[in-house]
Formats: sequence, C-alpha cells, structure tokens
Amino acid sequence: GAVVSQHPSRVICKSGTSVKIECRSLDFQATTMFWYRQFPKQSLMLMATSNEGSKATYEQGVEKDKFLINHASLTLSTLTVASAHPEDSSFYICSARGETGHNSPLHFGNGTRLTVT
Amino acid sequence: GEDVEQSLFLSVREGDSSVINCTYTDSSSTYLYWYKQEPGAGLQLLTYIFSNMDMKQDQRLTVLLNKKDKHLSLRIADTQTGDSAIYFCAEERRGSGYSTLTFGKGTMLLVSP
Repeated sequence: GAVVSQHPSRVICKSGTSVKIECRSLDFQATTMFWYRQFPKQSLMLMATSNEGSKATYEQGVEKDKFLINHASLTLSTLTVASAHPEDSSFYICSARGETGHNSPLHFGNGTRLTVT
Repeated sequence: GEDVEQSLFLSVREGDSSVINCTYTDSSSTYLYWYKQEPGAGLQLLTYIFSNMDMKQDQRLTVLLNKKDKHLSLRIADTQTGDSAIYFCAEERRGSGYSTLTFGKGTMLLVSP
C-alpha cells in the first residue's frame, strides 16, 4: 500500500534556529501533499497544501514566511520552520493521496515532534 | 459550520466490541475516514467509505454511514489491548481543484484486559 515517510521523527533545537522536515511518498508520485500541525490532545489543523512545481497554498492564520514549503519533486515535500521559537513546538504531520486520481484516501507520515528550547 | 464531532473517551474490556461514533455537518462530504493514532505516532488510515455507501466491512472493522443523520460509526469486533489508541473521524470535501479534510477531536479508546 501507499507509504508516506517523514523525517526526522523527533527534533530538539534551540530558539532561533531553522528546522527542515521532509515528507516523501515512497511508492507513488504525489503532486499534492498536505502539512498538518497537532497540538497536545487536539485534532489536526491543516497548515498548507503543497503543490509540486508551484507555490504552496496556506491556510488562514499560517505564516508563510515562518513555515516555508518546497515541493520540488513528485515524491518530496519539505517544511522548514524558520527561526523557530518555543511556541512552534508541536507535532507536524504530512500526508499525500495514495495515487493520482480522485478515488484514493489520504495517507499520513508518522509525524515529527518538534521541541524548541 | 464545518464541525466533526466525536465522543472523547471510550472504555471497553478485551474481547468486547467497541463502537466509536462521529457526526458531521456537511452533506456534500464525499469521503469519510477513520484514522488511528498511537501515542507519539502519526495517523494510520484504518478505513474509509464513499458517501454513496452505507456500510463497509474490513476484517474486524465495520463502518456504518447514515447520510440522512450525518452519522458515521466505527465498530471494532473482538477488541484487543493493542487497539487502545485515539481514533479520528474525518470528512473530506472535494471540488474542482480543491480538497478539504476536517477532523474530529478524536476518541480515546482504552481497552482493559
């Protein structure tokens, strides 16, 4: 089945540094990937839709200069948290549709837990 | 509104059946999903159902969809301790060039031996 790989699974960094999170589709091409953020004991919040070869579409209230998304190939999207601060500490999850076409579900990566000290 | 609502907690004994309920508000939803999240992990797709279906069964999992009441349920037969996790219901709406996925807040399932 469709597999989405996310790396790293956990990262701890100092305030002010930038962190890059990778999301890969392992056995399929994904023209669109989605980035979510999950706060403790809460549901997922869609941050942005990553489109291969074009700019990402950000949800209202998400700073595009803080959360930089690059979808340079059909199998890789990256989310860079620029100049991270403690309030950016969260669980970030990416997802991609299993195959091209409209009749496939979304598959998720295992998530990245970011802790900014 | 675009809320997806679930009960927050369910406790069952090992071997019993578990039923997790979900209500949604958008009648134009095209796909409805159930995801499982274990502590510290991402989301695992359990099953999904198209809006033109009433029921879908996959091994121990049975999904029932009542479109009239906008009610979705997930039944887990012979629940095991390994089923303890948070279960998220999600509805997806697709249109021309867009797709939105709205999650419920999750139901924590606790299975006791």
